[in-house]
Amino acid sequence: NAGVTQTPKFRILKIGQSMTLQCTQDMNHNYMYWYRQDPGMGLKLIYYSVGAGITDKGEVPNGYNVSRSTTEDFPLRLELAAPSQTSVYFCASSSHYGYTFGSGTRLTVV
Amino acid sequence: AQKVTQAQTEISVVEKEDVTLDCVYETRDTTYYLFWYKQPPSGELVFLIRRNSFDEQNEISGRYSWNFQKSTSSFNFTITASQVVDSAVYFCALSEEKRSGSNYKLTFGKGTLLTVNP
Repeated sequence: NAGVTQTPKFRILKIGQSMTLQCTQDMNHNYMYWYRQDPGMGLKLIYYSVGAGITDKGEVPNGYNVSRSTTEDFPLRLELAAPSQTSVYFCASSSHYGYTFGSGTRLTVV
Repeated sequence: AQKVTQAQTEISVVEKEDVTLDCVYETRDTTYYLFWYKQPPSGELVFLIRRNSFDEQNEISGRYSWNFQKSTSSFNFTITASQVVDSAVYFCALSEEKRSGSNYKLTFGKGTLLTVNP
């Protein structure tokens, strides 16, 4: 089925470790996004991309990096995990017809 | 900057009651989209509705209805005859429209936790 695929679904990291959250879409959308959701809060934009090779910071980019080498893939990199990065992460893509969200990655930093 | 306010943090109702979730937004854009999403306990985001800023017609879909009023910058969501399965967090969101016509950068409210008790 077409959509946005995120991996992994769950992950526990130790403080200072690094990891990459993977995101792939097969709808040929130019626009892709990473959001984080903290308890009791709405989703906040971390980074976004308007096409391959073009990325920009959102509202809460500190501690994260992204790349967009292809239209399909938009990985999110955490270099030095901190407890404040414990959250649920959603990847999304958008077009004229609206947004498609991945199922989320629940990340715990201990 | 865009802003979405959902003043109701939590609402608790008894099954079959009607319930309205409030959403107030701020934007300087003349063209924008408003959305409602449902997030059940399983955690995924379920799309409910998208409304263009030029279309102020109210919409009804089964037990769900939406009231869009540009004059008050509100986009409220009503569930009629609520059911236990309606228990979830509901998010209102706002996006601008790029010149290309694509939706762009959603701004979310903090969400309203709706609990429907049997």
